[in-house]
Amino acid sequence: NAGVMQNPRHLVRRRGQEARLRCSPVKGHSHVYWYRQLPEEGLKFMVYLQKENIIDESGMPKERFSAEFPKEGPSILRIQQVVRGDSAAYFCASSPRQALELDSNQPQHFGDGTRLSIL
Amino acid sequence: DQQVKQNSPSLSVQEGRISILNCDYTNSMFDYFLWYKKYPAEGPTFLISISSIKDKNEDGRFTVFLNKSAKHLSLHIVPSQPGDSAVYFCAASAGGGSNYKLTFGKGTLLTVNP
Repeated sequence: NAGVMQNPRHLVRRRGQEARLRCSPVKGHSHVYWYRQLPEEGLKFMVYLQKENIIDESGMPKERFSAEFPKEGPSILRIQQVVRGDSAAYFCASSPRQALELDSNQPQHFGDGTRLSIL
Repeated sequence: DQQVKQNSPSLSVQEGRISILNCDYTNSMFDYFLWYKKYPAEGPTFLISISSIKDKNEDGRFTVFLNKSAKHLSLHIVPSQPGDSAVYFCAASAGGGSNYKLTFGKGTLLTVNP
């Protein structure tokens, strides 16, 4: 079984360009979560999506950032007009359903992340 | 406002001994706690979790203890192995409709020396 696949693994952009980060969830998982890890910090929740729906984007900056999870294809995190402060590792996770199982059989499974560097 | 705190940035132990990683939280709404392990250039890997209705959960060499009154949890690894060397993240979620939203600590780098 393939895990969560993220690409590219590394992405370099100049200030003002657009960054597109892709995430293919575990096969059969219909719930996707994006997290951002700034240097020396823990992961911070950005957005939660189901197929074709944004469920919770409370952790996403209001401007320049958007996310989608279309019916077909991977989830995309899009950052427009990137700035130096966007440099971070962006992780995608997936789960088969929303609720965390109390017996821990269904935690969120993470991809290996995309390291975004802004020049 | 750091709701999940891992106050030790690093920990070094000898192979075969016990590793104890600590985590404190401030949000009393948190009712589910997880530990993730992360190697460089990889994503976090789920290790073990505990719900607030329990005070201990074991899985092989890994045991998580939860002290709700102190808002404290710890991960015990025994015996520690060199392959356990990684960054360990404590994470928590609140109940209700937003239980998918994990709040992470900053992590503790564990080094197990042969």
